[in-house]
Amino acid sequence: EIVLTQSPGTLSLSPGERATLSCRASQHVSSTYLAWYQQKPGQAPRLLIYGASNRATGIPDRFSGSGSGTDFTLTISRLEPEDFAVYSCQQYGSSLTFGGGTKVEI
Amino acid sequence: QLQLQESGPGLVKPSETLSLTCTVSGGSISSSDNYWGWIRQPPGKGLEWIGSIYFSGSTYYNPSLKSRVTISVDTSKNQFSLKLSSVTAADTAVYYCARLTFGNVYFDYWGQGTLVTVSS
Repeated sequence: EIVLTQSPGTLSLSPGERATLSCRASQHVSSTYLAWYQQKPGQAPRLLIYGASNRATGIPDRFSGSGSGTDFTLTISRLEPEDFAVYSCQQYGSSLTFGGGTKVEI
Repeated sequence: QLQLQESGPGLVKPSETLSLTCTVSGGSISSSDNYWGWIRQPPGKGLEWIGSIYFSGSTYYNPSLKSRVTISVDTSKNQFSLKLSSVTAADTAVYYCARLTFGNVYFDYWGQGTLVTVSS
């Protein structure tokens, strides 16, 4: 099973700042199969990025994804108040796993 | 707009079987481009994929849960279901159903989630 380790666990930033979130895989992950989700308290996850760098429908362009192999990054260029949430990465290889999440807090 | 809705008991006794159903509306569960999946999230923890099913009945399960999980589909009702046997307190979680899209393998539509507590 491929383990996804997200860092940092918590990121404390202010609106307008840049957020850089890391997702590291224990084995190689095809970029095709790396996705990112946003989750707010009491809500279901929302797809942000698929295929490592493709924004899902309706996702603002301040969200971007990059990376390959075992290291992937989600960047939020300028934090808006509604962006404070938990972000999780997900991979599909021999099985499907999620990372533990990074909380972006004010 | 595609919508998914979980339903089932919110309280299950230890050693019993957890049963949930996901009803899909606004689209067909028989779509050739999609699988349908169950994901859970224990309180304060991360997401865990449980398993996925195609409309034909083909299934894929998380290896760590495979011995206890059964996912089935009823295309006539546009529903798919989860059964998790021999539950313990560790199975207490919010359970989500979601649509899994081929190609890039991601979940693009989610239900609101339902909390299932395992307790006597």
